[in-house]
Amino acid sequence: DQQVKQNSPSLSVQEGRISILNCDYTNSMFDYFLWYKKYPAEGPTFLISISSIKDKNEDGRFTVFLNKSAKHLSLHIVPSQPGDSAVYFCAPKGPGTYKYIFGTGTRLKVLA
Amino acid sequence: NAGVTQTPKFQVLKTGQSMTLQCAQDMNHEYMSWYRQDPGMGLRLIHYSVGAGITDQGEVPNGYNVSRSTTEDFPLRLLSAAPSQTSVYFCASSYSHGIPYNEQFFGPGTRLTVL
Repeated sequence: DQQVKQNSPSLSVQEGRISILNCDYTNSMFDYFLWYKKYPAEGPTFLISISSIKDKNEDGRFTVFLNKSAKHLSLHIVPSQPGDSAVYFCAPKGPGTYKYIFGTGTRLKVLA
Repeated sequence: NAGVTQTPKFQVLKTGQSMTLQCAQDMNHEYMSWYRQDPGMGLRLIHYSVGAGITDQGEVPNGYNVSRSTTEDFPLRLLSAAPSQTSVYFCASSYSHGIPYNEQFFGPGTRLTVL
């Protein structure tokens, strides 16, 4: 029973265009949603977060959108750069805990 | 400031052997955790600790032990290695007191193969 799904294992985008990475979840009690980026042979690094009481959070080129009714969130990267090529994980958690449930990840490749 | 360090980077074990994966952080973080990552799967939480002397189980704790005698160190022990424990292991740390979510800092990982 997968509570968090990233249904696109991979995505290729031209440099300068928009990258959209999606994440679906089943648990309506999740209160925070985090995105991590992971390069090969390195640990994940935190990218951006969103609270369940918001529908959008923006940080530079990165924007996360949350649609609670659809139990869906997406990460937009505009404009995409070759250095953004990495695996992206969404990781929500429930209230009163720091236990995160990681999705399976989406491998983004930005083509120069 | 080294952040989160993990040793060893690579390890090969035979079934039934025991070993300890080391994790240390120099950021004075109270929260530390261990994850494993397997192909086609996300990171899964093995054990975590909210401070020295306090540990708890995550999603996949069987076959692993942890202890937290200091703020800095959080070793993960494999009691009797099995091929199913072949994985990449990540240690992470963060602040946690009084904040609604914690941005975790991850180590570079240990790639473990059990034959």
